[in-house]
Amino acid sequence: DVKVTQSSRYLVKRTGEKVFLECVQDMDHENMFWYRQDPGLGLRLIYFSYDVKMKEKGDIPEGYSVSREKKERFSLILESASTNQTSMYLCATLRTSSYNEQFFGPGTRLTVL
Amino acid sequence: AQSVAQPEDQVNVAEGNPLTVKCTYSVSGNPYLFWYVQYPNRGLQFLLKYITGDNLVKGSYGFEAEFNKSQTSFHLKKPSALVSDSALYFCAVSGSYNTDKLIFGTGTRLQVFP
Repeated sequence: DVKVTQSSRYLVKRTGEKVFLECVQDMDHENMFWYRQDPGLGLRLIYFSYDVKMKEKGDIPEGYSVSREKKERFSLILESASTNQTSMYLCATLRTSSYNEQFFGPGTRLTVL
Repeated sequence: AQSVAQPEDQVNVAEGNPLTVKCTYSVSGNPYLFWYVQYPNRGLQFLLKYITGDNLVKGSYGFEAEFNKSQTSFHLKKPSALVSDSALYFCAVSGSYNTDKLIFGTGTRLQVFP
């Protein structure tokens, strides 16, 4: 089974801090994704990556950046955290042999004070 | 543009009764359709998917979904609900290329009462 891990389950940061959210997968999948989940809005795609060093903007990239230096690791960076970035952040990986089925990590609930 | 609609924010059902969670979609070409479930403070877990073939798809935990092309729907069903089915359910759609993104609905909270 695919395992997707995220570095923190709960995180509390202050406005203006630089925040790193880490995601690691163990199945050598090329595609990785970062979403944020907010009540009533479902999941919205922030950034995704099809391969090492590659990144593509999703639907709501403003205020975020990403890094993918190694295939198994995809990091989401909040350069200067703001209160409106308080949310649940979900990382996912894609097995292309399984018709776009994505596998999700447990999520990081980030609170920005 | 691809889109997914889950018209109900919450569905309430008594334990033992059948349940339906509704989903409609809009996508050009042939869609891939998915249902995911999220238990409290957890990530999303895959339930089932429709790619092609039989319109009735069976998945995990006794759930099934029916693909209806003419009505562009993919409703999630279970013949007999359990209290433990209470969770947040997401419908998602993608195109058939592996570079196509998953588009998620806003989610439906299922509450099963004893």
